[in-house]
Amino acid sequence: DAGVIQSPRHEVTEMGQEVTLRCKPISGHNSLFWYRQTMMRGLELLIYFNNNVPIDDSGMPEDRFSAKMPNASFSTLKIQPSEPRDSAVYFCASSLLIGGKNEQFFGPGTRLTVL
Amino acid sequence: GESVGLHLPTLSVQEGDNSIINCAYSNSASDYFIWYKQESGKGPQFIIDIRSNMDKRQGQRVTVLLNKTVKHLSLQIAATQPGDSAVYFCAENTYNNNDMRFGAGTRLTVKP
Repeated sequence: DAGVIQSPRHEVTEMGQEVTLRCKPISGHNSLFWYRQTMMRGLELLIYFNNNVPIDDSGMPEDRFSAKMPNASFSTLKIQPSEPRDSAVYFCASSLLIGGKNEQFFGPGTRLTVL
Repeated sequence: GESVGLHLPTLSVQEGDNSIINCAYSNSASDYFIWYKQESGKGPQFIIDIRSNMDKRQGQRVTVLLNKTVKHLSLQIAATQPGDSAVYFCAENTYNNNDMRFGAGTRLTVKP
């Protein structure tokens, strides 16, 4: 298994531009998570999906952020318009929530720099 | 670089020594806990988990201890190796729930 796949690995963009981050979860997993990691705030949960349905988006910073999961094998996190304070590493993780055990498998992350 | 941010607790140990990383959790309703390891440039990686009906669980070279009375979790690494150098996070949630909350992390440095 290739694990959780994220693309791109690095993204540099200018303020005001739209940014789309992509994630392919591990096949068979039923939950997908988007996290943001910064020096200032550590690892923050932005949103998670169960069976492709968004369950909790309370961590999404503001309306500029949106996430979709059109099918079980793909999710996107979009920032429009992007701002310098969005610069961070964005992680996608997936898990198979079964029998209560919730081991999340993380992707390698996308390092976003907004100039 | 940033001049203000999280000041991660740090632990520096000599290669071969045992390491103990501590974590205080906040939610008394939490009943499931995980330790993750994050190496530089990588995503967090699962190490070991424990449910609240246990107070100790052992893996390969790692042991997790849970003290529910004081809401404290620890990770013990035996015979620490240079490859153990990383940031270690504890995470908590309630069993069968997806809302996992991560601590700030502890940076472990292993000196050869």
